[in-house]
This record gives sequence, C-alpha cells and structure tokens, in this order.
Amino acid sequence: AQSVTQPDIHITVSEGASLELRCNYSYGATPYLFWYVQSPGQGLQLLLKYFSGDTLVQGIKGFEAEFKRSQSSFNLRKPSVHWSDAAEYFCAVGAGGADGLTFGKGTHLIIQP
Amino acid sequence: NAGVTQTPKFQVLKTGQSMTLQCAQDMNHNSMYWYRQDPGMGLRLIYYSASEGTTDKGEVPNGYNVSRLNKREFSLRLESAAPSQTSVYFCASRNLGQNNEQFFGPGTRLTVL
Repeated sequence: AQSVTQPDIHITVSEGASLELRCNYSYGATPYLFWYVQSPGQGLQLLLKYFSGDTLVQGIKGFEAEFKRSQSSFNLRKPSVHWSDAAEYFCAVGAGGADGLTFGKGTHLIIQP
Repeated sequence: NAGVTQTPKFQVLKTGQSMTLQCAQDMNHNSMYWYRQDPGMGLRLIYYSASEGTTDKGEVPNGYNVSRLNKREFSLRLESAAPSQTSVYFCASRNLGQNNEQFFGPGTRLTVL
C-alpha cells in the first residue's frame, strides 16, 4: 500500500527566508506526486505535480519541488517566503488509475515577520 | 464554471441523526471522491466513484454510504451519525488524462453532538 510521510508537523520561517518542506513516499511503481496548499477554512489548491519527465517541477506562487527516486522524496521549496504563504501544506501520492490520493498528515507553515 | 460545489457548508447533527452531503461538478469529469479531514490526520479517502454507475470503498468507509446519481453528482450519506464522524468533508473530481490531478470542493464542516 502506498503511504506518505511529512516529518515536520510545524515549521516556522522568517519572511524573506528560504523554505523546504519534506515529503517521503512509499509506492511500488513510478508515482504521481502532488503538493496541495490549504489556507485556514479553505479547500485545497494544487501547487504542483509530478508524473514523469524532468524531476524538478515548477508550480504556482513561486514554489518548486524535486523528485528524487533514490530517496523516495518529493520536497517542496521556495527561495523567499511571503507572509501570505502561511498555510497547511499537504503532499500526496496517487497511482495511474481512478483510485484516490493518499495524503500525508500535513505541515503547518508559520511565517515570522 | 463553478468547478466542484458542496452543500451544505456547515452542519450540526445529534448522535443517531442522518444526513446527506451533496457534491456536484461541472467539469464533465468521470471520477469523483469523498475525503474526510481530521486534525493531524491529513485527508483520508472514504469512497470514490471511478465512473458513473460504479462506487468503491476507500480507506475509511465504515458508517457511510454513497450514491453516484449521475455524472455530475456524488452524494455521501451518514445513516446514523456518531461523534467520531465530526470532521471536514471534501469532495473531489478528476478526469482521465489529467495526470491524476484532483480538483477539490470547498468542504463541509460537520459536527456531531
């Protein structure tokens, strides 16, 4: 069965500093990988996705993520965070069929002024 | 184009009451999903419908039933609500060929007393 681990429950970063959120997955074949962001009281918005090809993927809002098969990781990065980036971030993995996604437990990002 | 819509936005039930959560999508997607989100647990799949006329259990189906009414609509029913079903419920949809990307509704916050 597939699984996703987000090791950091909370991360605090100063505004303007760089950010890296960790995600490790377990899946037998080449996975479809996603990062979603959720602002308080809101639904989920897709930041970026990986399914094949270039292992460095660019997303919205200046985010990027790198797929590393050897480490089973798909870490999310941003070079300079803004106060509006404070939110909950979820990594998810899916198979190629119609099955649903498996989500990590999320990382809560706090931005210090 | 409203995307994925859910009703109601909020609901309070007493233990043992029943209710149906409604979900509709206007993107002509084949597959639809119901997830629940609990603090510290991420999102967990309850049921999904790969295509009109089919439904399958996800990770946490106990206490729920679903109906894929037509291609647009996928409802989730709680026959006898329990406090353990207090959660935020998200509906999602996707189409084949979209690299497994799922589009989420705004959520229904359910409290069972």
